[in-house]
Amino acid sequence: QKEVEQDPGPLSVPEGAIVSLNCTYSNSAFQYFMWYRQYSRKGPELLMYTYSSGNKEDGRFTAQVDKSSKYISLFIRDSQPSDSATYLCAMSGPNTGNQFYFGTGTSLTVIP
Amino acid sequence: NAGVTQTPKFRILKIGQSMTLQCTQDMNHNYMYWYRQDPGMGLKLIYYSVGAGITDKGEVPNGYNVSRSTTEDFPLRLELAAPSQTSVYFCASRESGVVSDTQYFGPGTRLTVL
Repeated sequence: QKEVEQDPGPLSVPEGAIVSLNCTYSNSAFQYFMWYRQYSRKGPELLMYTYSSGNKEDGRFTAQVDKSSKYISLFIRDSQPSDSATYLCAMSGPNTGNQFYFGTGTSLTVIP
Repeated sequence: NAGVTQTPKFRILKIGQSMTLQCTQDMNHNYMYWYRQDPGMGLKLIYYSVGAGITDKGEVPNGYNVSRSTTEDFPLRLELAAPSQTSVYFCASRESGVVSDTQYFGPGTRLTVL
C-alpha cells in the first residue's frame, strides 16, 4: 500500500465551478499537510499547508484535514482557467524521518 | 530572495557521459532534497541532506552522487548517464518549524539521455 494515494484524474470543469481534490494516507504519524500546484514544465509551487487537523482558507482555496479518516482535501471556489495545473498533496511528520511523502498529482483543467 | 535556483534548465547527454546538476538556495535552510519526476509517476526522492557534510540516500539513488560542502549548494552528479535517467530533476529546500514543515522547489532541469 502506498503511503499517499491521489486520484490522477484528469479532472475537467467549467469556469466558476467548485473543485474538490483529495488524498488519502495510511501513516497516522503525518502531522504536516501541504498542497502544491505545478504548471506544465514548471516546478511545484507551495499553495497551502496545514498543521494537524482542521481547515485553512486562503482566498478561493480551502484546505481540510481529517486525521481520523486519514483524508485531506483542497477546495477551489470560483475556479479560473489559470487554475489549470497539476495539484500534488504532500505530508510529513516528526517521526517519519526526514522525507516528505507526495501524491502522484491530479491534473485539473478549467474550461472557459 | 531568489529561493531555489537550478542550472541548467535543459540538457541532452549521450549515453556514458557525466554531468552535474547545480542547485542553490538563499533561504539558509539546512535540509535540501533532489527528486526526479517522470510522467504519471510522481516525485521520487534521489538523495537528501540535513546539513553541510551530511547526505543520505532516498528511494532511487543508483547512478547518482551528491555532496554538500555549504548550506547554500547541493549539486547532483550523474555518472555514466543511461537512458533510464531521462527525467525532470527538481531540487528543494525545507523550512521546518513547530507548526509548519514545507519544501520549496526549484524550476527543474529537464534531462534527456540519448
